[in-house]
Amino acid sequence: GESVGLHLPTLSVQEGDNSIINCAYSNSASDYFIWYKQESGKGPQFIIDIRSNMDKRQGQRVTVLLNKTVKHLSLQIAATQPGDSAVYFCAESPTGSGSRLTFGEGTQLTVNP
Amino acid sequence: KAGVTQTPRYLIKTRGQQVTLSCSPISGHRSVSWYQQTPGQGLQFLFEYFSETQRNKGNFPGRFSGRQFSNSRSEMNVSTLELGDSALYLCASSSGQPYGYTFGSGTRLTVV
Repeated sequence: GESVGLHLPTLSVQEGDNSIINCAYSNSASDYFIWYKQESGKGPQFIIDIRSNMDKRQGQRVTVLLNKTVKHLSLQIAATQPGDSAVYFCAESPTGSGSRLTFGEGTQLTVNP
Repeated sequence: KAGVTQTPRYLIKTRGQQVTLSCSPISGHRSVSWYQQTPGQGLQFLFEYFSETQRNKGNFPGRFSGRQFSNSRSEMNVSTLELGDSALYLCASSSGQPYGYTFGSGTRLTVV
């Protein structure tokens, strides 16, 4: 079936560097995308979302880019901090699927001090 | 405002037993979805309830079931537990659309 996938299972960066986490999706019917952060022992925490009528959205230290032509999603974290260490998931919601989300496999981000 | 509350946080059950997990959504949210998270399969959608009706269902066997009450609280039940059912079970609530989707901290189920 169709699913959302991440390019790298792990990513290690130095504190203060910018991080880029990538995600490829295959369902062209998806019109809403979300990035989640999950820390050990906790549920996924919302970071930022984007609808398919946009190609970029910015939050506090985070930016999500959407390229519908190649079905690619990325999360950029500026000035990465040790507290950003977690697993990051992208998720997609196809039109008409209600509240159902399809998740990618996750990228473990490690920030080295 | 209070977030999504899942109880219990941890459970240990024996193969063949059944288990019931509870989820209280954010006040005003009418949609509750359940997910299973395992290291091998990642986050997989179980089902969604909206206004006491199952609106979506994932690809899980009939041993997995759920329900939603008039106050939007939801329970999921797993009967005849198998070792492979060991997982983190997550509940998420929303107003009915994926926007504002908020997860609880999950129930860690271990089947021995």
